[in-house]
Amino acid sequence: AQKITQTQPGMFVQEKEAVTLDCTYDTSDPSYGLFWYKQPSSGEMIFLIYQGSYDQQNATEGRYSLNFQKARKSANLVISASQLGDSAMYFCAMTLTGTASKLTFGTGTRLQVTL
Amino acid sequence: DTAVSQTPKYLVTQMGNDKSIKCEQNLGHDTMYWYKQDSKKFLKIMFSYNNKELIINETVPNRFSPKSPDKAHLNLHINSLELGDSAVYFCASSQLQGGEQYFGPGTRLTVT
Repeated sequence: AQKITQTQPGMFVQEKEAVTLDCTYDTSDPSYGLFWYKQPSSGEMIFLIYQGSYDQQNATEGRYSLNFQKARKSANLVISASQLGDSAMYFCAMTLTGTASKLTFGTGTRLQVTL
Repeated sequence: DTAVSQTPKYLVTQMGNDKSIKCEQNLGHDTMYWYKQDSKKFLKIMFSYNNKELIINETVPNRFSPKSPDKAHLNLHINSLELGDSAVYFCASSQLQGGEQYFGPGTRLTVT
């Protein structure tokens, strides 16, 4: 069974600074996908970024990048140049590929961007 | 233009009632899901359908019954509602099993 651990319940960052949200995962399956989702106070779940276990390069999407360290089983999200609109809950999740897929979520990190 | 839509957005009902939540996606995806987010914000899979066929059924009480009339729709019917069913229910869809999932806006269910 897969497991996701997010050890930071809350984080603060100043506007325009970069922030790293931690995520570690556990699975014995070699083929999996890692995801980050953003949940603002309005409640919707917004897909941010995806990393496949066989991808050689770290995924990037605009200001979001995923720092994938396979040996350490970590998939940290880096947000560059934080904006006030980045204040939200952030969830790390994973799924096993090639099977009946389900997202297993971590407990989330609440990010607050300050002036 | 909404990719994954759910109705209703809010649902307040009394214990013992039966209610349904509807989900529709216009992304042409083959796989749809129901997730439950509890009061501590923890998200957990409930069900998954691939092309109208049930492929994931997590440990969910029998009072919850999903139905997929076609691959664009996945509804959730809940019988004999209990206080503990109060949560936000999210529908999601993905093109590939294991691919990124796109979520609906959620349905906040409150059982009184």
